[in-house]
Amino acid sequence: ELKVEQNPLFLSMQEGKNYTIYCNYSTTSDRLYWYRQDPGKSLESLFVLLSNGAVKQEGRLMASLDTKARLSTLHITAAVHDLSATYFCAVDQGGSEKLVFGKGTKLTVNP
Amino acid sequence: DVKVTQSSRYLVKRTGEKVFLECVQDMDHENMFWYRQDPGLGLRLIYFSYDVKMKEKGDIPEGYSVSREKKERFSLILESASTNQTSMYLCASSLPPGWVQYFGPGTRLTVT
Repeated sequence: ELKVEQNPLFLSMQEGKNYTIYCNYSTTSDRLYWYRQDPGKSLESLFVLLSNGAVKQEGRLMASLDTKARLSTLHITAAVHDLSATYFCAVDQGGSEKLVFGKGTKLTVNP
Repeated sequence: DVKVTQSSRYLVKRTGEKVFLECVQDMDHENMFWYRQDPGLGLRLIYFSYDVKMKEKGDIPEGYSVSREKKERFSLILESASTNQTSMYLCASSLPPGWVQYFGPGTRLTVT
């Protein structure tokens, strides 16, 4: 059974600081996704990582994938308040269309 | 832009009622999904449909059924609502194989 673990689950950081969110998964997978959810809103796709060593960047967020370690990271550079949200990683179940989501990391960026 | 819409943002139902949640997507996606989201538990897949009239159980299908009569529409049915089905319900759609899932705005269902 595929398990997806994110840590930390809660993250409070100051503006301007850097931090990393980790996503570990338990079985081989072809694809890893990162989503963002603002309070009271739905999920918005950030990144899709398809191969070992894949790195994608958008603004202050950079995601990477190490399939051998079964680990993805979401790195935040020089955080700003607008990045406050809950971030989810999700992994496909062995080539299936079905995804298993982590529990999410609630990020709060303080001025 | 992909648009996934859900019939209600907020819904209050009584225990034992039959509840229908509707989801419509406008991008001709083959795959459609129903999730529930609960604090501390993340998103859990209830049912998945990969074509009209085709469905697969997700991780928590008990107490739910689904219907997909047309490609653009996927309905989640609570046959007899119970208080433990109070939750946020999210619908999503995607193209195979394994493309990004696009989510609707969610329906917050309260069962009293």
